[in-house]
Amino acid sequence: QLQLQESGPRLVKPSETLSLTCTVSGGSIRRSSDYWGWIRQPPGKGLEWIGSIYSGGSTYYSPSLKSRVTISLDTSKNQFSLKLNSVTAADTAVYYCAREWGYSGRDFYYMDVWGRGTTVTVSS
Amino acid sequence: SYELTQPVSVSVALGQTARITCGGGLSGIKNVHWYQQKPGQAPVAVIYRDTKRPSGIAERYSGSNSGNTATLTISGAQVGDEADYYCQVWDSSLWMFGGGTKLTVL
Repeated sequence: QLQLQESGPRLVKPSETLSLTCTVSGGSIRRSSDYWGWIRQPPGKGLEWIGSIYSGGSTYYSPSLKSRVTISLDTSKNQFSLKLNSVTAADTAVYYCAREWGYSGRDFYYMDVWGRGTTVTVSS
Repeated sequence: SYELTQPVSVSVALGQTARITCGGGLSGIKNVHWYQQKPGQAPVAVIYRDTKRPSGIAERYSGSNSGNTATLTISGAQVGDEADYYCQVWDSSLWMFGGGTKLTVL
């Protein structure tokens, strides 16, 4: 059974870079038809998509975060990562990683497996 | 781009039917996915591609889409259905989430 687990620093200082890793177990990140995504949820607010990466390496980013975000794959470790630079208090949130599964058109995909989430606080 | 519009809250009597709507842009929305999120937990998909139910999701959950509005229907609402529900679509190379609806079972 596929499982995802987020890891990384829980506290990041303003203006620094937030770095998180999602470790995938029970399946290969290289599966050719899957996408892998990052989603966040500020305290008391709704879900916000950050970006996604295709198993082949193509990336898609939220327009509002695109200038600060990088998502990458590490197939040797079966992991994918998120880097968000120049963080502020507004980036404080629970960060989730998820697998996007589907076939045919991109809009046929959905997020079928999620990690438990990790809380990241931006504070000095 | 456009926004997905959901009611902030919906209340339903125990055992009755709850309906949560999701509205989109002028050209309508398609292939809408729905997620349930309970406090302190990660979201779980309950409906994908408008009407399909993932394995393990109760038949009480169903979805429909008129083109302009997608609806998540929960029949025979139970206390365990109390949660936040989010709709989601892929459009113009990005994922969009609705603002979420808090379902209360009375």
